[in-house]
Amino acid sequence: EVQLLESGGGLVQPGGSLRLSCAASGFTFSNYAMNWVRQAPGKGLEWVSAIRGSGVSTYYVDSVKGRFTISRDNSHNTVYLQMNSLRAEDTAVYYCAKDRGGGVNDGMDVWGQGTTVTVSS
Amino acid sequence: QSVLTQPPSMSGAPGQRVTISCTGSSSNIGTGYDVHWYQHLPGTAPKLLIYGNNNRPSGVPDRFSGSKSGTSASLAITGLQAEDEADYYCQSYDSSLSDVVFGGGTKVTVL
Repeated sequence: EVQLLESGGGLVQPGGSLRLSCAASGFTFSNYAMNWVRQAPGKGLEWVSAIRGSGVSTYYVDSVKGRFTISRDNSHNTVYLQMNSLRAEDTAVYYCAKDRGGGVNDGMDVWGQGTTVTVSS
Repeated sequence: QSVLTQPPSMSGAPGQRVTISCTGSSSNIGTGYDVHWYQHLPGTAPKLLIYGNNNRPSGVPDRFSGSKSGTSASLAITGLQAEDEADYYCQSYDSSLSDVVFGGGTKVTVL
């Protein structure tokens, strides 16, 4: 069964850091780009970051550039999102999503259940 | 504000047809980038409904269909059912932003 399982969310103070993990199973992980998508309370879906299968190319929405880093470990079928200098506006449910192909606009066909990040003092 | 514009809400009676629009521009849909559609029920993982403008993944009922023309795309739901009550999002790529972009979402209510 194709599956994504996120972990690492929690409560953190403004300026703090968290690392989210997404463990994948049921498909050839290194063949596919992976994404992080978030949904703030009462808001819509917002794409945050993507990484191609090889891990060489990474992409970020402007609001997280310089603060978030996406990476992947293809030997452990896991994608990560290191989040530094967290702000209140980063509070959201973070979803890990598999791209249908190797690019970043093929459609996201597998999603995790999400992990909640709350930035508050 | 998203670069892809969707109506915030739509409604229909069971059995009716609902069409959700997704309006973009020359830097995204108009350039030829594919449009994808997702269904999202609160507290659950979003689900891919349509990929590549008009393709359904296996398991998605044929009541759902997608189309694209010019700088806009649409998702049609025919034979509306109570279980279709959810939020729907379009998604594409914007070359000016160099970002994957989502529409603001449309909440569909089944009357």
